Amino acid sequence: KNEVEQSPQNLTAQEGEFITINCSYSVGISALHWLQQHPGGGIVSLFMLSSGKKKHGRLIATINIQEKHSSLHITASHPRDSAVYICAVRSGGPDKLIFGTGTRLQVFP
Amino acid sequence: EPEVTQTPSHQVTQMGQEVILRCVPISNHLYFYWYRQILGQKVEFLVSFYNNEISEKSEIFDDQFSVERPDGSNFTLKIRSTKLEDSAMYFCASRLDRAQETQYFGPGTRLLVL
Repeated sequence: KNEVEQSPQNLTAQEGEFITINCSYSVGISALHWLQQHPGGGIVSLFMLSSGKKKHGRLIATINIQEKHSSLHITASHPRDSAVYICAVRSGGPDKLIFGTGTRLQVFP
Repeated sequence: EPEVTQTPSHQVTQMGQEVILRCVPISNHLYFYWYRQILGQKVEFLVSFYNNEISEKSEIFDDQFSVERPDGSNFTLKIRSTKLEDSAMYFCASRLDRAQETQYFGPGTRLLVL
């Protein structure tokens, strides 16, 4: 069983829709990251969370440590948001990240 | 804006050959990482490097792999004798310091072992 599970695996939306991507993990963590992987393969870090909620522009990330769950929300989605969104957790050692399999988002105009 | 660079962008090699993947991290960053992503699969941690030594490595990072920071700017990943299953995208990342969790990723090197 994967230590980090994401849902859904694939998501399509119309421009303007509110998007939610979920991440559940089964290990104790010290931090959780949300990353965006562009169609060309490049990876960009979006958020690091250890508790609560963070907001950056149209992106909001929340984490519930007790429930071992995090969500990434995108408000007013746009075609340029189309990418794979990856959840990764830092567990155990100081540096090792454990990655989820990603959620592929396509936003249509 | 400073960025992590990687060379080459693509490399094709024969099974059993040695390859060296190169990365130039952001200049004032202190922590360096290598990850790999086999086509269609999730990203996997390989190794982290700090203060000129490996700080953590995964079970994937066996004796076939080594890392080096030979000259204070480059950070290299060497695969001594490549196997077919080493075919993947390899990402380098760097991080400013212990207090800053954000990692900055390079564009990746796509390695194909034939």
